[in-house]
Amino acid sequence: AQTVTQSQPEMSVQEAETVTLSCTYDTSESNYYLFWYKQPPSRQMILVIRQEAYKQQNATENRFSVNFQKAAKSFSLKISDSQLGDTAMYFCAFMKAGSGNTPLVFGKGTRLSVIA
Amino acid sequence: NAGVTQTPKFQVLKTGQSMTLQCAQDMNHEYMSWYRQDPGMGLRLIHYSVGAGITDQGEVPNGYNVSRSTTEDFPLRLLSAAPSQTSVYFCASSYDRVDSGYTFGSGTRLTVV
Repeated sequence: AQTVTQSQPEMSVQEAETVTLSCTYDTSESNYYLFWYKQPPSRQMILVIRQEAYKQQNATENRFSVNFQKAAKSFSLKISDSQLGDTAMYFCAFMKAGSGNTPLVFGKGTRLSVIA
Repeated sequence: NAGVTQTPKFQVLKTGQSMTLQCAQDMNHEYMSWYRQDPGMGLRLIHYSVGAGITDQGEVPNGYNVSRSTTEDFPLRLLSAAPSQTSVYFCASSYDRVDSGYTFGSGTRLTVV
């Protein structure tokens, strides 16, 4: 079974600064996908970024980028130029690659507060 | 295009009562799933379905039943509610292909007293 660990229950960052959220995972699979989801106070789950394990290049989406270290089973999220709207719960998630879609396995989340 | 619709958004039940949480999607997604979210626990998979007539258990299935008679709907039934089932429930759907992303509903906050 796969497990996802987020070791930082809460973090805070000053507006316009950079923050990195940590995520490690455990799996025996060689092909899989990793995700970061954002959950603002509205409760909606929003996909932030996604990484395919077979791609060595780190994914980026505007101010969001990841540091994917496959050998270390690490998948951290870097948020640059933090904005007040980035305040949310952030979940790291793992999905095994199969012939079709497979369930997401989530970490326990990191609550990020952006301070003005 | 409504996406994934969950009803109700809030519900209070008494211990022992039964109810059904509704989930409907209009994107012709084959894959649908139910998660529960508890403080400090992240989201945990309850049940999922890869198509009409096919369901399977996730990590925390006890106390919940599901069925999938149509592609669009995937209701979650609580047969005899317990306080331990107090949680926020999310339905998610996707195409049944490995590169498909998930679409989440807005969640149902359930309180069992």
